Amino acid sequence: EVQLVESGGGVVRPGGSLRLSCEASGFTFDDYGMTWVRQAPGKGLEWVSGINWNGGDTAYADSVKGRFTISRDNGKNSLYLQMSSLRAEDTALYYCARGKRPGHSGSLDYWGQGTLVTVSS
Amino acid sequence: NFMLTQPHSVSESPGKTITISCTRSSGSIATNYVQWYQLRPGSSPTTVIYEDNQRPSGVPDRFSGSIDSSSNSASLTISGLRPEDEADYYCQSYDGTNVFGTGTKVTVL
Repeated sequence: EVQLVESGGGVVRPGGSLRLSCEASGFTFDDYGMTWVRQAPGKGLEWVSGINWNGGDTAYADSVKGRFTISRDNGKNSLYLQMSSLRAEDTALYYCARGKRPGHSGSLDYWGQGTLVTVSS
Repeated sequence: NFMLTQPHSVSESPGKTITISCTRSSGSIATNYVQWYQLRPGSSPTTVIYEDNQRPSGVPDRFSGSIDSSSNSASLTISGLRPEDEADYYCQSYDGTNVFGTGTKVTVL
């Protein structure tokens, strides 16, 4: 059974940093691209970042470019999102999702339960 | 990059059929596959349609997807509407990066 479990969310002050993790199980992790998607309170889904199967190709939404860094450790079956210079508008539920293919973009077929990030003073 | 625009909300009675549109602002809708995700309150998104018109196992055949190049849009059709179909629905496509639609709230009256 495919499982994606996010962790690392919490409350952080504006300008602060946070690192999200997503532990994957039930599939061959390095066969698939991975993605972070977020949903701010009362808002829709927003794609944040994607990474290909070996970490060699990444992409970011303009809203987070230069502040967030996506990475993966295939030996640990884990995906990460390092977030810095956090803003109030980054407050959201962050989902980890598996791509159907090895690249960093495309269809997403499995999602985690999400981890909540709140940026507030 | 492009945008995907959906109607804000759709309401219909049980047993009826609804269609949700997803219009691409620039570039051809046929260039990259379109997916549809269902998001119920308190749950994670699930895929109801992938690669324009493919249904994942476990998704009932009441859900179908299509694309229309003349209107540069994709559509999700739900027939035989049931109370459990009440949810938010998002289309998604890509062109180097992923793009989600604006979302549609489906209400079953």
